[in-house]
Amino acid sequence: DADVTQTPRNRITKTGKRIMLECSQTKGHDRMYWYRQDPGLGLRLIYYSFDVKDINKGEISDGYSVSRQAQAKFSLSLESAIPNQTALYFCATSDPRQVPYEQYFGPGTRLTVT
Amino acid sequence: AQTVTQSQPEMSVQEAETVTLSCTYDTSESDYYLFWYKQPPSRQMILVIRQEAYKQQNATENRFSVNFQKAAKSFSLKISDSQLGDAAMYFCAYTPGSGTYKYIFGTGTRLKVLA
Repeated sequence: DADVTQTPRNRITKTGKRIMLECSQTKGHDRMYWYRQDPGLGLRLIYYSFDVKDINKGEISDGYSVSRQAQAKFSLSLESAIPNQTALYFCATSDPRQVPYEQYFGPGTRLTVT
Repeated sequence: AQTVTQSQPEMSVQEAETVTLSCTYDTSESDYYLFWYKQPPSRQMILVIRQEAYKQQNATENRFSVNFQKAAKSFSLKISDSQLGDAAMYFCAYTPGSGTYKYIFGTGTRLKVLA
């Protein structure tokens, strides 16, 4: 079984709809991240969490919110989706005690907002 | 600010040949780590190779090797004996050695392998 899973894998939604992307991990890592990938822009950090009570905004958090329900679960919400949020979304985990601080990625969620 | 630059949006290589993907970065840190990730059509981000800045020896993983030039802040990926399965998007990434949350990605290079 994959260490980091994301649901759904693909989603098409309409402008104005609320949508939640979910991430679960079995690696036992405290740190979890949400990234967005757009062509020509690489991966950009939306939110990150050091533990259940420590959640922080990344460089592009506007229009997004997150919830860390447990050490293993980190959800990303779009309260009112808009077309420019069409992108590939990745969840990742890491362990700050494990040099070289590699990040472990989920399989990604392709989100299309029409 | 720390940045990672991949100046080649797309590269092509003939099967069985060698190709080098470029990556430069900017940082004032002396301790950091560099990575190359492969993203095939399946979208999964796969770690190809990593390099610790304090190590002078270039990392190697089978057909993949890096040319790490710390003074020039350059971290290129060489793929030898290219295979059709190497076709993918490749991302260079940087993280400081302090174990912060910060993980900076380049914009990616799409590699095509020609049969």
